[in-house]
This record gives sequence, structure tokens and C-alpha cells, in this order.
Amino acid sequence: QVQLVESGGDVVQSGGSLRLSCAASGFTFSSYAMHWVRQAPDKGLEWVTFIQYDGSNKYYADSVKGRFTISRDNSKNTLYLQMNSLRPDDTAVYYCAKERGSDRHFEDWGQGTLVTVSS
Amino acid sequence: EIVLTQSPATLSLSPGERATLSCRASQGVSSYLAWYQQKPGQAPRLLIYDASNRATGIPARFSGSGSGTDFTLTISSLEPEDFAVYYCQQRDNWPLTFGGGTKVEIK
Repeated sequence: QVQLVESGGDVVQSGGSLRLSCAASGFTFSSYAMHWVRQAPDKGLEWVTFIQYDGSNKYYADSVKGRFTISRDNSKNTLYLQMNSLRPDDTAVYYCAKERGSDRHFEDWGQGTLVTVSS
Repeated sequence: EIVLTQSPATLSLSPGERATLSCRASQGVSSYLAWYQQKPGQAPRLLIYDASNRATGIPARFSGSGSGTDFTLTISSLEPEDFAVYYCQQRDNWPLTFGGGTKVEIK
């Protein structure tokens, strides 16, 4: 079955950087677009970024544009999120999510990894 | 950006009762709306996609309806495991957006 396992979450100071990873298994990773979605403590869900199945197309939320970069390595079945210039309001659980087909709804989710940005 | 407004914020009901949750979009999203359920400490789970289609393995007591700007998630008879937070999400336009959530709690 589909498994998505995030890693890389940590406590980092404001202005710092962090790279998250999401290891995928149980499906043909190279055939699916992927997303990162985050959830601040006791808050709702916020879509962060998208990458096309082959990496050819990417979109970002305005809140992270210019600071975060999504990428993937289809040979390693792994999705990445490089986060630079981190701010306290980036503190959240970060989920990687796989689309249902190619319809931009999120059919499968990882368990999430916590990023805490201290001021 | 399309804003999704969910109501009510909290719904207090008893097991066996019917739950009706609303999601209103700031502009039309056709039928490109999904519903998710999230329990404490867990990742969200896809319930309904494209307004009215149940995702794999979702019980028939969950149903979705609507198009354009007004959408409804109905749980016909609440089971104990249904008490959770529910989010809607649109895929009609970038950026993808979620509603603020409705908490269904035990009365």
C-alpha cells in the first residue's frame, strides 16, 4: 500500500534553513504529482507547494514563494522541501501528500514532520 | 485566491444524529471540491472528491453535494469514530485552498 514517510523536521532559529524529505513507496512515484501541506499548531490546513510528476511544473503559496523550493528525485522515490529564511510563522507540521490521479485532491498523506522556528 | 468559508465552526451532535456541514467558496469552483476528515494527532483523510464522489473505502453514510459556490457534506447517522474536524478544499484555481474547518463534537 502507499506509504509516505516525512523526515527532517527540527527546531531552527529564525532566518535559518531546513530540508525536509518524503520517502515514497507502494506506488509508481514518478507517475504522480506531489504536494506539501502544512498545519500550524491548533490551526487549519495550508497548502504550501506542488510539483509535477516529472518536476517540470511547480507552484507555491505566496507565503513561501522565494523562500521554499520543492524538488524530487524519481530515481530515489523521494520528495524534498528546501526551506530558507525561516520565520516563526512557518512553525507547523509539514505533510507530504500524493494526488488522487492528477486531480489536485490529496488521496494519501504522510504522518507529518514538525518544524519549529524559534525567534 | 479563492476563500472557502466553512460553517458552523463547531457542530455538537449525538451519535446517530445527522450532520450537515457547509462550505462556501468566494467564487465558483465548479465541482472541484473535496472533503477531508482529521482526527487529533493524525493526518487528514480524503472522504469526498469532486463534490460528490466517495473516496476508496469511505462508508456510504458520508455524502457530498453542491457545485459552483455552495457545497455540503452530510453524515447520515453519526458513528462514534466520526467525531473529528472536517475540511473542504478546492482545486479549481491556484493556489489550492482549504476552508477553516468544522469540528463535529459529541453533545
